[in-house]
Amino acid sequence: EPEVTQTPSHQVTQMGQEVILRCVPISNHLYFYWYRQILGQKVEFLVSFYNNEISEKSEIFDDQFSVERPDGSNFTLKIRSTKLEDSAMYFCASSQQGDYNSPLHFGNGTRLTVT
Amino acid sequence: AQSVTQLGSHVSVSEGALVLLRCNYSSSVPPYLFWYVQYPNQGLQLLLKYTSAATLVKGINGFEAEFKKSETSFHLTKPSAHMSDAAEYFCAVSGSGNQFYFGTGTSLTVIP
Repeated sequence: EPEVTQTPSHQVTQMGQEVILRCVPISNHLYFYWYRQILGQKVEFLVSFYNNEISEKSEIFDDQFSVERPDGSNFTLKIRSTKLEDSAMYFCASSQQGDYNSPLHFGNGTRLTVT
Repeated sequence: AQSVTQLGSHVSVSEGALVLLRCNYSSSVPPYLFWYVQYPNQGLQLLLKYTSAATLVKGINGFEAEFKKSETSFHLTKPSAHMSDAAEYFCAVSGSGNQFYFGTGTSLTVIP
């Protein structure tokens, strides 16, 4: 069964540095998402992406964050000037359709640790 | 606006016992409800979804959930717990746009 893949599985960075989290969505999916889960807290929506542009974003997704689909397969989340509170598990997801009926397929996540 | 509340961050059951994980939702539009499972070091995997076709929804691994509008609930059940069911379970709701709203999760422990 096709799956969403994320790299790296664990990323450690120093405060103030930039990180790029990478995702390869399922190949025939059209909608892509980033969620994050701070330890012990809810899985939170960050952003959704369709047709090479952001379709929705949450309050968390401020100017520190950006997403890109640099080629036909990768979907990246860039976090600039990382802060301690950015430490979390970041999940990429994709879906065939963008409506509420279409379930999300998640990757295994990237654990980001900011020191 | 949509949200879900999962009652009980930790649930322990004996192997072979009934599993009941609680989820209540809040939605200003007819909700679409989901249960996801997360095994250690893995991503979230869809267990089942409610999309208004039937109130009792059957999912993978013997799990099912019943949508009760009067109680605004979507509790997850399994008649007989197995050791392999030990995981984190998340309830989620969507209803407009393509955002999913997740609960805080319930960690299920199965005691041999």
